[in-house]
Amino acid sequence: AQSVAQPEDQVNVAEGNPLTVKCTYSVSGNPYLFWYVQYPNRGLQFLLKYITGDNLVKGSYGFEAEFNKSQTSFHLKKPSALVSDSALYFCAVKESSASKIIFGSGTRLSIRP
Amino acid sequence: NAGVTQTPKFRVLKTGQSMTLLCAQDMNHEYMYWYRQDPGMGLRLIHYSVGEGTTAKGKVPDGYNVSRLKKQNFLLGLESAAPSQTSVYFCASSYGEEKFYGYTFGSGTRLTVV
Repeated sequence: AQSVAQPEDQVNVAEGNPLTVKCTYSVSGNPYLFWYVQYPNRGLQFLLKYITGDNLVKGSYGFEAEFNKSQTSFHLKKPSALVSDSALYFCAVKESSASKIIFGSGTRLSIRP
Repeated sequence: NAGVTQTPKFRVLKTGQSMTLLCAQDMNHEYMYWYRQDPGMGLRLIHYSVGEGTTAKGKVPDGYNVSRLKKQNFLLGLESAAPSQTSVYFCASSYGEEKFYGYTFGSGTRLTVV
């Protein structure tokens, strides 16, 4: 069965510093991996995805994520954090044969000025 | 280019009342989903549909029913609302397997059951 874990409920970073939000997954076969962001009182917005190809995936708002098959991880990164990056971030996974995505519990990212 | 539209955006129900949440998408997506979001629990799948006329149970289906009579619409019904169903409900849609690239989400329905 597919599953995804976000080990940190909250990540605090100073503006201008690099940030990492961690995600690990478990699937049978090849995974489809996603990051979504949710701003207060809003729906979820797509940030980036890995389905096939380069292990380093670039997405919206300067975010990127690295697919690491041996560690079954898909950590979200950004070289220089902005206060406006403060939001709730969800990692998600889908087995290639499945019809639905499984979401992690979310990590709240807080960027202090 | 509306994407995924959910109605209503807010609703307060009394225990035992019924209601229907409507999700409409204009992207010709095959798959549609209903999730609920609760603090600290992420998004949990209630029901989903892989095509017009089909529905399937997700992880937390009890107390909910769904219908997909038209490809563009996916209805979520609560027959007898309970306080435990107080939540934010999100609808999402996607292409099928051959073109799958992720979900498009609606903006959510905040439901309070008192």
